[in-house]
Amino acid sequence: GQNIDQPTEMTATEGAIVQINCTYQTSGFNGLFWYQQHAGEAPTFLSYNVLDGLEEKGRFSSFLSRSKGYSYLLLKELQMKDSASYLCVAMDSNYQLIWGAGTKLIIKP
Amino acid sequence: NAGVTQTPKFRVLKTGQSMTLLCAQDMNHEYMYWYRQDPGMGLRLIHYSVGEGTTAKGEVPDGYNVSRLKKQNFLLGLESAAPSQTSVYFCASSLSPEPTGQETQYFGPGTRLLVL
Repeated sequence: GQNIDQPTEMTATEGAIVQINCTYQTSGFNGLFWYQQHAGEAPTFLSYNVLDGLEEKGRFSSFLSRSKGYSYLLLKELQMKDSASYLCVAMDSNYQLIWGAGTKLIIKP
Repeated sequence: NAGVTQTPKFRVLKTGQSMTLLCAQDMNHEYMYWYRQDPGMGLRLIHYSVGEGTTAKGEVPDGYNVSRLKKQNFLLGLESAAPSQTSVYFCASSLSPEPTGQETQYFGPGTRLLVL
């Protein structure tokens, strides 16, 4: 079956770095997305990886290893506004999105 | 551009009542989707549409019907609401299902539905 695993909750300190891991199993693979979702709001797009390696976008970076079915989202210089849920999403061979349950990130001052 | 809009934002229903959720997009997107999001679970696809006049079932279609009479609108209907349908419903649209490296699906703000 198709499955996404990511931690339910993580806590980090303002100004620090946090890495949110995700493993996935899909029927075929057309890329891995990360979305941010603040409480009560819609998901917003953060990143997309389809090739192995690291993609950097400002304070956020995303890594993909296709052979391991593994991705992580790295957030640097954490700010209070980064408190949100982070959703790992894989796209299968039929271009359907398989959504993880999300990792709730709590930032403490 | 308003992007993707959803109506209503919040609704309370009694068991057995019916209602229709409206999703509208002004980006001329071919593809539209309805998802539900429940606590502790990822978004689950209810129904989707690959163009005007077409609809298809997603992962959790039971208890819902959809229609896409106009390209810009995608309606989600609940004929006889049940407490299990209490959820947050998100509509999304995309130009194509294929990823472009940028945002693939654009989401509406969500509709919070409570069925008593």
